[in-house]
Amino acid sequence: EPEVTQTPSHQVTQMGQEVILRCVPISNHLYFYWYRQILGQKVEFLVSFYNNEISEKSEIFDDQFSVERPDGSNFTLKIRSTKLEDSAMYFCASKMDPSSETQYFGPGTRLLVL
Amino acid sequence: GENVEQHPSTLSVQEGDSAVIKCTYSDSASNYFPWYKQELGKGPQLIIDIRSNVGEKKDQRIAVTLNKTAKHFSLHITETQPEDSAVYFCAVDSSGGSNYKLTFGKGTLLTVNP
Repeated sequence: EPEVTQTPSHQVTQMGQEVILRCVPISNHLYFYWYRQILGQKVEFLVSFYNNEISEKSEIFDDQFSVERPDGSNFTLKIRSTKLEDSAMYFCASKMDPSSETQYFGPGTRLLVL
Repeated sequence: GENVEQHPSTLSVQEGDSAVIKCTYSDSASNYFPWYKQELGKGPQLIIDIRSNVGEKKDQRIAVTLNKTAKHFSLHITETQPEDSAVYFCAVDSSGGSNYKLTFGKGTLLTVNP
């Protein structure tokens, strides 16, 4: 069964450093998402992406964040200058097309900012 | 924005008993309500979903009921098994259109005791 994959599974970085989290969505999916989950809290929407542009973003997704689909398979989340409060689990999700509802989540990347 | 409340935060049942988790939401325009199961160290996995034109949906031991008037929906797991132990999240589509930005509840830690 096709699945969303994410790399790395864990990332430790120093405050102020840039990190790039990578996702490979399910191959025929066209709609992509990033969510984050701070330890012990609920999953929060960050951004949705379709047709090579951001469809919607939350107030969390400020100028320090950016997303990109650099090629036909990868979907990345970049945090330009990490802060301590960026420490969280970051989940990528994808869905087939605008008319479909079901989002499939990846296993997540645990980011720790020191 | 959308507000999703989920109860209880923890639930412990004996194997074979039923478990019920409830969620309320605030945006009457929401029309898609998925439930996700998250096992330790993994991403959320969709287990069942319901749309606003349906009042109840069942899939083997799992069922979801929706009351649009009262703006609440519930997950019912019958004949619980130890492998049902996980964190369960309700979610609501809160963007309308095709974005399907999900707003999640805080999660319920379900423990099924053998």
